[in-house]
Amino acid sequence: SYELTQPPSVSVSPGQTARITCSGDAMPEKYAYWYQQKSGQAPVLVIYEDTKRPSGTPERFSGSSSGTMATLTISGAQVEDEADYYCYSTDSSGNDWVFGGGTKVTVL
Amino acid sequence: QVRLVESGGGVVQPGRSLRLSCAASGFTFSNYAMHWVRQAPGKGLEWVAVISYNGSDEYYADSVEGRFTISRDNSKNTLYLQMSSLRTEDTAVFYCAKDSGDGYPHGGDYFDFWGQGALVTVSS
Repeated sequence: SYELTQPPSVSVSPGQTARITCSGDAMPEKYAYWYQQKSGQAPVLVIYEDTKRPSGTPERFSGSSSGTMATLTISGAQVEDEADYYCYSTDSSGNDWVFGGGTKVTVL
Repeated sequence: QVRLVESGGGVVQPGRSLRLSCAASGFTFSNYAMHWVRQAPGKGLEWVAVISYNGSDEYYADSVEGRFTISRDNSKNTLYLQMSSLRTEDTAVFYCAKDSGDGYPHGGDYFDFWGQGALVTVSS
């Protein structure tokens, strides 16, 4: 089955830039999506179709994709950005719904 | 606004059955595919199942295929997940989620709204 690989954790100081990667073989042809999940809460979409921000997502969140890797960037991370972040995508056939393992972002 | 409210969670013994419900409001439920996604304690998100807008198409994760059944009642704006032969490893928070697409399940679509989840604990 298809897999998406994320680093387990990323740490950043307030105001610095955090980058979270997500790698998958089908990334060159499929969009990546990013969800933020704070402790005890449901996931919330923060980036869709690689680079787009839903209304309500702060501008410090941005997405990019190149080759087999998608990246979520938090520019000027805030303490309130501490959360788990999950990438989501599909395989080359479009017949699977797959999450990455998640990345815990710590801002301190 | 879109609202999804899960119910039916609880503690169940291994091998038994349980049915989850998800009441939807704030959008035309019958126009969209719907999903169940779960999260075991301290673990990541795992997609479970999806059903098309009219119930004609269903897809399941390998881990639940043959044990879980997704269904919907568009007259009641409600999504269901019938879980049978439950295992301890099925212990999780189960979320229902609205599909972003045109009503048919496509892996390229995504989950644009989520409920708050229902906890299912499988334990003897």
